[in-house]
Amino acid sequence: KAGVTQTPRYLIKTRGQQVTLSCSPISGHRSVSWYQQTPGQGLQFLFEYFSETQRNKGNFPGRFSGRQFSNSRSEMNVSTLELGDSALYLCASSLVDRSYGYTFGSGTRLTVV
Amino acid sequence: SQKIEQNSEALNIQEGKTATLTCNYTNYSPAYLQWYRQDPGRGPVFLLLIRENEKEKRKERLKVTFDTTLKQSLFHITASQPADSATYLCALKNSGYSTLTFGKGTMLLVSP
Repeated sequence: KAGVTQTPRYLIKTRGQQVTLSCSPISGHRSVSWYQQTPGQGLQFLFEYFSETQRNKGNFPGRFSGRQFSNSRSEMNVSTLELGDSALYLCASSLVDRSYGYTFGSGTRLTVV
Repeated sequence: SQKIEQNSEALNIQEGKTATLTCNYTNYSPAYLQWYRQDPGRGPVFLLLIRENEKEKRKERLKVTFDTTLKQSLFHITASQPADSATYLCALKNSGYSTLTFGKGTMLLVSP
């Protein structure tokens, strides 16, 4: 079966711009989580969606937002980009029973210049 | 505050030996603990889950132990191979609608 698909794979943006990242979860997975990964901080939780509702949100500024559609696909948006937003953004999908583990996409590498 | 600590120094071992990685946590009451493998530029890959009421879990050459008194999990790879070289992450989830929180990972390097 297809894995978690994240698009685009790489992105270069200028400070002040905004960006939208997309995530298509595994079919049947209704829970989608987003993480930011940087060398210094590791994986930092951004938000989690389940059935189009945000269930949890991490400690990130309001410039970071997300949503989930009825087909479980999810998008995250970062407005007014800063240099520090350069990171690997990872999306993970899981079954309702998350004890089976998360399946991660390959991520979107965002570079802000 | 809540902390998940993994050794930040890379672990270098020889092929065939057993690799042991450590995950310590504070101020968590985890419902379960998971281990993931991550290769450079890729997303983490789920390996094993162990629940709070389990002491040990095995899968092929992998073994995980979980000591909720010591607040520690050990991850073992027996008969290690160069292909096992990667960063290994532990992740915890408290009970209820809490998130899965990751440690920063330990890099394992297996030399031939």
